[in-house]
Amino acid sequence: DAKTTQPNSMESNEEEPVHLPCNHSTISGTDYIHWYRQLPSQGPEYVIHGLTSNVNNRMASLAIAEDRKSSTLILHRATLRDAAVYYCILRDRRGAQKLVFGQGTRLTINP
Amino acid sequence: NAGVTQTPKFQVLKTGQSMTLQCAQDMNHEYMSWYRQDPGMGLRLIHYSVGAGITDQGEVPNGYNVSRSTTEDFPLRLLSAAPSQTSVYFCASSLGVWETQYFGPGTRLLVL
Repeated sequence: DAKTTQPNSMESNEEEPVHLPCNHSTISGTDYIHWYRQLPSQGPEYVIHGLTSNVNNRMASLAIAEDRKSSTLILHRATLRDAAVYYCILRDRRGAQKLVFGQGTRLTINP
Repeated sequence: NAGVTQTPKFQVLKTGQSMTLQCAQDMNHEYMSWYRQDPGMGLRLIHYSVGAGITDQGEVPNGYNVSRSTTEDFPLRLLSAAPSQTSVYFCASSLGVWETQYFGPGTRLLVL
């Protein structure tokens, strides 16, 4: 599986945008970029995924670099409830039997 | 829908004891899986199932057994608990292997 690199932690203020980076320099052409997050004492939950184009949903936006070697998860207006560990995961649709979780980025939101 | 449910929420075992962690989903999902999460770490896949009667091993299967007799249930059995199995266990399900996975709230297991 191709690897991802994320900062261990980030901090932001409530109601401000948050940009969570992810590097995946060894990404293959068939790898999709998935983001999950894990709120304190809960199981992970799906946030968003994309292949090449930028993607938006009600939770977040995903900006993918033109060369696909990096991506950024954007929370447009962070709330205290967005404090969580965010995982950037590559999934190859040909062999997506599992999600491979790294250590993720712990996001702290200050009131 | 209740989604993915797990029982118990918390369990303490002595070394050598056996127990079954329960996982159920009411979304008619074919794919189910078990992960463990050790402190400060990401999740690691233990076993998974692509449908009733079909199971396979993940990254860390040793010490765990599974079976899938119905679509709804996917229990995880520890035959002889060891302190190294102290962890938080998450069950997940999805419509198919590729689809978005939905996780349960977890079972916290302490083996003394």
